[in-house]
Amino acid sequence: DVKVTQSSRYLVKRTGEKVFLECVQDMDHENMFWYRQDPGLGLRLIYFSYDVKMKEKGDIPEGYSVSREKKERFSLILESASTNQTSMYLCASIDRGYGYTFGSGTRLTVV
Amino acid sequence: QKEVEQNSGPLSVPEGAIASLNCTYSDRGSQSFFWYRQYSGKSPELIMFIYSNGDKEDGRFTAQLNKASQYVSLLIRDSQPSDSATYLCAVNIIGDYKLSFGAGTTVTVRA
Repeated sequence: DVKVTQSSRYLVKRTGEKVFLECVQDMDHENMFWYRQDPGLGLRLIYFSYDVKMKEKGDIPEGYSVSREKKERFSLILESASTNQTSMYLCASIDRGYGYTFGSGTRLTVV
Repeated sequence: QKEVEQNSGPLSVPEGAIASLNCTYSDRGSQSFFWYRQYSGKSPELIMFIYSNGDKEDGRFTAQLNKASQYVSLLIRDSQPSDSATYLCAVNIIGDYKLSFGAGTTVTVRA
């Protein structure tokens, strides 16, 4: 069965901290995505990657960066966490057009 | 104008009734259409996808696509309390793996 694993379900970080959110998929998918989900705003694309060491900005990349050193792992980095980055973060991967498989999500609170 | 819009809800239906969810999209190049179900506190899971005009049925779910009207809908027949969730509409355009999501419609099925 297809699996996307996010390392943490809940995180609490302080303003200004550097935060790493990890995502690993076991399906040998090339395409991976990071979204954040906020009430009333839906899912918004932060960054995506179509291959190892490749990254592209999504709709809201400000304040974030990503790393994809290996095909199975796609990391989201909050360079200096701020309270407006408190959100649910969802990682997803896709093979060839049958919709995303999502990880279980990380609910991040920045205090 | 938002790329993908859904009726905001919440939608409350009695058990056994039909729940009807609507979604419109702005990009005429949209090629693939997906419906995700998201239970509170969980990540989205794919329940239906449709590529061609017309109806597609899967159990109690029917997706309907009308590309001329830029409209996709989801019908849930014989609604059950377990169908209570937020339903997300998502689309992508030709040649692009990125999905654009609507904000979701929350459905409550009353026993």
